[in-house]
Amino acid sequence: ETGVTQTPRHLVMGMTNKKSLKCEQHLGHNAMYWYKQSAKKPLELMFVYNFKEQTENNSVPSRFSPECPNSSHLFLHLHTLQPEDSALYLCASSQAEAYEQYFGPGTRLTVT
Amino acid sequence: DAKTTQPPSMDCAEGRAANLPCNHSTISGNEYVYWYRQIHSQGPQYIIHGLKNNETNEMASLIITEDRKSSTLILPHATLRDTAVYYCIVRVANGNKLVFGAGTILRVKS
Repeated sequence: ETGVTQTPRHLVMGMTNKKSLKCEQHLGHNAMYWYKQSAKKPLELMFVYNFKEQTENNSVPSRFSPECPNSSHLFLHLHTLQPEDSALYLCASSQAEAYEQYFGPGTRLTVT
Repeated sequence: DAKTTQPPSMDCAEGRAANLPCNHSTISGNEYVYWYRQIHSQGPQYIIHGLKNNETNEMASLIITEDRKSSTLILPHATLRDTAVYYCIVRVANGNKLVFGAGTILRVKS
């Protein structure tokens, strides 16, 4: 247990669905991150939030929409996804942006 | 951030020390060396990081060469549960990005 939880752990959605991934950290951290890990590829940073403000968007398509209502919660809203968006989506948090990151277990997303 | 080079895979006998090398020949003076690992189907786990001096914690030791162009992560007594992908990452002191490469697949065998 790292203190970072993600729900759901598995999600299957059609290309016309709208769904959301949730991340919660219980570590008192101020920075939160979304990463994507596709099969056979390295982890890719998607978004960074620091004190609820987005500080990094790594050229992510607009069909992925992050939301950070407070320093403990991070959401990733998904709509009109493509099959190639199927991947493991990982959330992480850190005390501040330059500190070591602690990862959640991930959400395994399958787009059909 | 500087690029790192790691061997794609390594084997280690259970109970023996696992020594995982990493080359970062273009590292800058303000860049740290971080190590993470990812056990199959789980999120990455922070292991250790260092700047110049060798570091040790309850999980591992990090040995950084004097010129800082390479480092070695040491797991002193590897167990089967240490089988994972190990990532060596170089990051600037105030940077928010962790750039993951392919890492080294460590297989601990009984």
